[in-house]
Amino acid sequence: EDQVTQSPEALRLQEGESSSLNCSYTVSGLRGLFWYRQDPGKGPEFLFTLYSAGEEKEKERLKATLTKKESFLHITAPKPEDSATYLCAVQAPRNTDKLIFGTGTRLQVFP
Amino acid sequence: EPEVTQTPSHQVTQMGQEVILRCVPISNHLYFYWYRQILGQKVEFLVSFYNNEISEKSEIFDDQFSVERPDGSNFTLKIRSTKLEDSAMYFCASSDNRGELFGQGTRLTVV
Repeated sequence: EDQVTQSPEALRLQEGESSSLNCSYTVSGLRGLFWYRQDPGKGPEFLFTLYSAGEEKEKERLKATLTKKESFLHITAPKPEDSATYLCAVQAPRNTDKLIFGTGTRLQVFP
Repeated sequence: EPEVTQTPSHQVTQMGQEVILRCVPISNHLYFYWYRQILGQKVEFLVSFYNNEISEKSEIFDDQFSVERPDGSNFTLKIRSTKLEDSAMYFCASSDNRGELFGQGTRLTVV
């Protein structure tokens, strides 16, 4: 069964303290891995799509990387406005385009 | 920047009543989705829609649910006879096959 596991569940950082969030996945064949940001009571906001092992994408203080078993979201010198839940989702082939989400990592950045 | 729009933002309904949740996807997107998120839980796939028909649905999407694209812009989710356990955030998403963009959601409360 296709599965996505995110760790840690929650992370508290001081402003400027860099860290990484992990997304481990088991799928029969990965078509794409997606990172989203979700603020409380809001919809997921698209950040990145990664398609193949070794791929990296960056946006401001965020960098996403992908291996054959996991993805990391690296946050460099975070600011309080980076506080949110970060969701990882995978899309497997076999004629499906649905996303399978993890439970997310709740990030809090303190000034 | 184009966005997915959902209405209403909040809906309170009595158990057994029918509700219709509305979405306006991004205009040049061809793939449409509904997801739900029960408070504190994962985002879960409900249904995908392409070329005016359902392309995939989950076990959650039983006979009480239906989707429709009544005109060129709207995409609706109908829940025929709501149950207490249908209380959740419902998200609409659309895609051009490069990544799903989500709306801000409708919070449905069944009392």
